[in-house]
Amino acid sequence: SQQGEEDPQALSIQEGENATMNCSYKTSINNLQWYRQNSGRGLVHLILIRSNEREKHSGRLRVTLDTSKKSSSLLITASRAADTASYFCATDAGGFKTIFGAGTRLFVKA
Amino acid sequence: NAGVMQNPRHLVRRRGQEARLRCSPMKGHSHVYWYRQLPEEGLKFMVYLQKENIIDESGMPKERFSAEFPKEGPSILRIQQVVRGDSAAYFCASSEQGLNEKLFFGSGTQLSVL
Repeated sequence: SQQGEEDPQALSIQEGENATMNCSYKTSINNLQWYRQNSGRGLVHLILIRSNEREKHSGRLRVTLDTSKKSSSLLITASRAADTASYFCATDAGGFKTIFGAGTRLFVKA
Repeated sequence: NAGVMQNPRHLVRRRGQEARLRCSPMKGHSHVYWYRQLPEEGLKFMVYLQKENIIDESGMPKERFSAEFPKEGPSILRIQQVVRGDSAAYFCASSEQGLNEKLFFGSGTQLSVL
């Protein structure tokens, strides 16, 4: 079974709006990461948040982590058409491997 | 500074043939991970290797699939006697320290089994 599950599965917004994606996981983690994938390409790392952190920012990205609820959110502010991609959360599940969720497909309309 | 290199980019095989997928990690990275992705789905972990060692192969099918990361040369994911269900995108990622930190991904190999 998957460790991380994203919500919603798909999201369509207008350019300039904010996009929020959520991720829930099942077991204790050391860190949680968010990645982006453009169609037909490999994943690109966006941001890593550790289990003792509650919020982290990187440019237009804001990530929160609530370990009590085993959930994280990724906020993209002032979205652009170029933000159209799939976004995945990934966790370590306390082991050596990084486990990915099913992803949220974001479509930003110009 | 080249990133993670995967080849071939596309691979077509007939049922029963062998598929060999290659991955050269980023320079200085000794940890390699293989993932499989079906259309519109997330990445499924297959195997984690360090140089000359398989650390975790819990996501790898017990039959027909094998992986190696020799002391010299790229990591190889080998699929013997391919079946149509093996058709997928296979991604390789590498990291410097292997502590579930940032992964660097290749562009993937799209395997199509006819």
